Amino acid sequence: QQPVQSPQAVILREGEDAVINCSSSKALYSVHWYRQKHGEAPVFLMILLKGGEQKGHEKISASFNEKKQQSSLYLTASQLSYSGTYFCGQGGSRLTFGEGTQLTVNP
Amino acid sequence: DTGVSQNPRHKITKRGQNVTFRCDPISEHNRLYWYRQTLGQGPEFLTYFQNEAQLEKSRLLSDRFSAERPKGSFSTLEIQRTEQGDSAMYLCASSLAMGQLSYEQYFGPGTRLTVT
Repeated sequence: QQPVQSPQAVILREGEDAVINCSSSKALYSVHWYRQKHGEAPVFLMILLKGGEQKGHEKISASFNEKKQQSSLYLTASQLSYSGTYFCGQGGSRLTFGEGTQLTVNP
Repeated sequence: DTGVSQNPRHKITKRGQNVTFRCDPISEHNRLYWYRQTLGQGPEFLTYFQNEAQLEKSRLLSDRFSAERPKGSFSTLEIQRTEQGDSAMYLCASSLAMGQLSYEQYFGPGTRLTVT
């Protein structure tokens, strides 16, 4: 089953923060986060392998709550380059992706 | 270091024709995946290989679709008797895998198929 992402879309001004949530109806063993810009391939952001794990990459970080079967992606002090569609993927080998969250950062 | 490459980047074909796409993964990666993506959706898993062995195929993959990875390096995806519903972006990804652990997947630029 496909993970559910929320919100579906968010519009920010440069410098604002955002949170994107990903939840699953089945046990999550790992969560992968990707960003895709229009007309381009998805780009890997980070992978969380264990419950309670948190990771960060520049001003983008994520957490993984295994018990709640949820992961959240945090974007801090957003930049114009953060615009794109963010996907969470669940699974070990084959990934099942959510429908994506479209993030737009305006000047 | 080169990333994942796919050819062709675009393919327009008439309904009923066969098409073949090629994917060259990152050289040290032992796993190769095929996904399909339509507008407004996330990538949808089709199949994956570990080395030359095809380990899993999606139930969504009809008999018209076949994939190979003959020497554990590049892979081809063939669609026979194409239908308009096959129009999509076909993405290839590769990763390292050790035992049950699978690491991050790196995607290629995709092949956009349009069936007229």
